[in-house]
Amino acid sequence: DTAVSQTPKYLVTQMGNDKSIKCEQNLGHDTMYWYKQDSKKFLKIMFSYNNKELIINETVPNRFSPKSPDKAHLNLHINSLELGDSAVYFCASSLEWGFNSPLHFGNGTRLTVT
Amino acid sequence: EDQVTQSPEALRLQEGESSSLNCSYTVSGLRGLFWYRQDPGKGPEFLFTLYSAGEEKEKERLKATLTKKESFLHITAPKPEDSATYLCAVLGNYGQNFVFGPGTRLSVLP
Repeated sequence: DTAVSQTPKYLVTQMGNDKSIKCEQNLGHDTMYWYKQDSKKFLKIMFSYNNKELIINETVPNRFSPKSPDKAHLNLHINSLELGDSAVYFCASSLEWGFNSPLHFGNGTRLTVT
Repeated sequence: EDQVTQSPEALRLQEGESSSLNCSYTVSGLRGLFWYRQDPGKGPEFLFTLYSAGEEKEKERLKATLTKKESFLHITAPKPEDSATYLCAVLGNYGQNFVFGPGTRLSVLP
């Protein structure tokens, strides 16, 4: 049983296209996140949702739009893809917002924009 | 602004050769310090949470310790399967999100 699953694993696309990444967690957690890991391996928060409501929106271009249809799902839609968007995107979840509960990560989506 | 640095950037050990990884942090009130292991092509896997200076946690060959400015991940008699990137993250009292360090890439040679 995969706790946090995201699809697709790999995404290769051309500049200007629109793409989506899907994430689902079966841990019963309240909070979900999108992180970006660049080529230097830094993990940076992009968005956080708690019970379907957006609570963190870091300085991310508005071409990136998250959507949480329910507590177990958090999708990421990216419009007008640019070369600089190439990275690995990780979905994560944690038990409760504001507490010390650790993050549980999916296995990432490697996005390559050509 | 909360910050995390890790050293060394990369570490190569022979099997059985114990060593330590360092995580130095600056945070406005620490709510928790987290260690993760990341294998190539995978997401980070949670290892430990430390909450206050003096606290220690152990799991198999790994032991994490915490002071007011840094945390160490001690690896005793490592095996090749311990090879991975080890990430440290902090959650501060006033920040809303986890801040990650750049990681230490550990290679254990048989």
